[in-house]
Amino acid sequence: NAGVTQTPKFRILKIGQSMTLQCAQDMNHNYMYWYRQDPGMGLKLIYYSVGAGITDKGEVPNGYNVSRSTTEDFPLRLELAAPSQTSVYFCASSYGLAEDTQYFGPGTRLTVL
Amino acid sequence: AQSVTQLDSHVSVSEGTPVLLRCNYSSSYSPSLFWYVQHPNKGLQLLLKYTSAATLVKGINGFEAEFKKSETSFHLTKPSAHMSDAAEYFCVVSDRGSQGNLIFGKGTKLSVKP
Repeated sequence: NAGVTQTPKFRILKIGQSMTLQCAQDMNHNYMYWYRQDPGMGLKLIYYSVGAGITDKGEVPNGYNVSRSTTEDFPLRLELAAPSQTSVYFCASSYGLAEDTQYFGPGTRLTVL
Repeated sequence: AQSVTQLDSHVSVSEGTPVLLRCNYSSSYSPSLFWYVQHPNKGLQLLLKYTSAATLVKGINGFEAEFKKSETSFHLTKPSAHMSDAAEYFCVVSDRGSQGNLIFGKGTKLSVKP
């Protein structure tokens, strides 16, 4: 099992550009999550999904969009990139609810200039 | 609302000495609590979790944590630090009311001196 994979590992964007961060998991998990991690801070939830076709906002959703057309994939879309979106982005998945372990991908480091 | 406070942003120990990373939480529910570790430029990995079973929880790599409801604490300990323990550690509380959403502390960076 590859677990949770993310692409790309690094990306530099110019202000106003758009991009999609890819996330895939091969553990047949129902729940998937996108977090951002800023320096000196814990992770903050951007969006999550409880199954294919179902997504919901987390704590910091502004400037992002998601979709979940399959169980395996959960892409995160940045429209009109801004310097405030410079961060490290982590995708995670879990089988079930709150007390289930979340498995994290290796992260995507995004810089917006 | 759930919250978690890690009391130290940076802890430095010598190899072979005990490790204590402190965490206090606030939760209106009976919480699930976790410790995750993040090695440099890596994703997060679960160390251990508490889900209302035994209050002393054993995790990987010799780490353990004790859930103390009266003190609202979930401190992480290890009897003897190893160089490979150098990493960032996150205390996390799960919001049972919102589909498994995790609330992260700001992290404690553990340095281990030879």
